[in-house]
Amino acid sequence: DTGVSQDPRHKITKRGQNVTFRCDPISEHNRLYWYRQTLGQGPEFLTYFQNEAQLEKSRLLSDRFSAERPKGSFSTLEIQRTEQGDSAMYLCASNSLDREGLMYFGPGTRLTVT
Amino acid sequence: SQQGEEDPQALSIQEGENATMNCSYKTSINNLQWYRQNSGRGLVHLILIRSNEREKHSGRLRVTLDTSKKSSSLLITASRAADTASYFCATKAGGTSYGKLTFGQGTILTVHP
Repeated sequence: DTGVSQDPRHKITKRGQNVTFRCDPISEHNRLYWYRQTLGQGPEFLTYFQNEAQLEKSRLLSDRFSAERPKGSFSTLEIQRTEQGDSAMYLCASNSLDREGLMYFGPGTRLTVT
Repeated sequence: SQQGEEDPQALSIQEGENATMNCSYKTSINNLQWYRQNSGRGLVHLILIRSNEREKHSGRLRVTLDTSKKSSSLLITASRAADTASYFCATKAGGTSYGKLTFGQGTILTVHP
């Protein structure tokens, strides 16, 4: 399977703990995106990378959130001191310059903060 | 924040019937895309329509775009039980140099066999 993969698929953590998610994009895609989706809502943009450069961060991304894409391939999203409001599905997507914004999404990581 | 609204929020039909979903958005766009999401899974791209296009077809899907009304519709003809999913419209704003999308809240479609 050469699609976007995410790990883990599910994460349950206690409030105050740190969590880290990983995304492996389609190999030839130089753009990578993180979105967050809460129940009953559409995905909301969090941040975007072109190669290893993080080019935009949403105001939704508080200081507790950090994302990296160190070698322009896989990316990690870390949430520090998790809060119950962080419970959501975290989606990763990738695309390339020539696809007009057509994005390929991974299956997501469902985070539950208890 | 969400770009706009989708209507209806939920739609229940019988297999073989057509399903129509509507999407409204607020700002000028470069293109509009429709995605499908099966329960608890990632989104799958269905169709993209550019701002200078008015109608596009792909298999059983027909999408229209009215930029003057800032609205789009997705028609699924001859629906199947496998079409049961949430459907989202997503817009790519004009002037952006990358693929950031703004999604609507989605329409939950249930097709009964």
